[in-house]
Amino acid sequence: DAKTTQPPSMDCAEGRAANLPCNHSTISGNEYVYWYRQIHSQGPQYIIHGLKNNETNEMASLIITEDRKSSTLILPHATLRDTAVYYCIVRVQGYGGSQGNLIFGKGTKLSVKP
Amino acid sequence: DTAVSQTPKYLVTQMGNDKSIKCEQNLGHDTMYWYKQDSKKFLKIMFSYNNKELIINETVPNRFSPKSPDKAHLNLHINSLELGDSAVYFCASSQPGLRPTGELFFGEGSRLTVL
Repeated sequence: DAKTTQPPSMDCAEGRAANLPCNHSTISGNEYVYWYRQIHSQGPQYIIHGLKNNETNEMASLIITEDRKSSTLILPHATLRDTAVYYCIVRVQGYGGSQGNLIFGKGTKLSVKP
Repeated sequence: DTAVSQTPKYLVTQMGNDKSIKCEQNLGHDTMYWYKQDSKKFLKIMFSYNNKELIINETVPNRFSPKSPDKAHLNLHINSLELGDSAVYFCASSQPGLRPTGELFFGEGSRLTVL
């Protein structure tokens, strides 16, 4: 079972920031928080990951609370193409083939509306 | 060029048949995976290969047999297909190293329908 809890769906207006929450209250000290998204009929796409510091890349920002029990993925200026299911995943950053053992939950279906 | 490519994209077949899905990655990655996404949209790992060596083999019926002829290819063979095998199968790859990012690159998926 996934170790994260996400709202099943969210709406966001085009051009506005989309803030997607994730609860991971049982996260261990060596577990990272990963975010992936799946646009309809496509394969999942990596977005960002972090351990305890906030992270930012060209796609999004990841804000992790100080106690690490929750995090928020921020899409600063959502577009219609950001409509997708967003998955929050926690796992140990493994090596070799074990790093790919990602446990996907139900995710949050984000709908960006014009 | 597509980084991780799967063929076929769609596959419709009868129960009891044997079928294969092919996967190729041109990213130079050492590790490849097969994931299954069922009708409820849950995505779960099936197999993981690192440099042609099986690393992860989740609880998957032995009718499913992955084959990795080289580290750029990981094919999935399914024997005696059953209705419950209907799903979308995703191939993925990653490059583990001293400081792995955890980033997986997924293919577009192969939708298998068993009638």
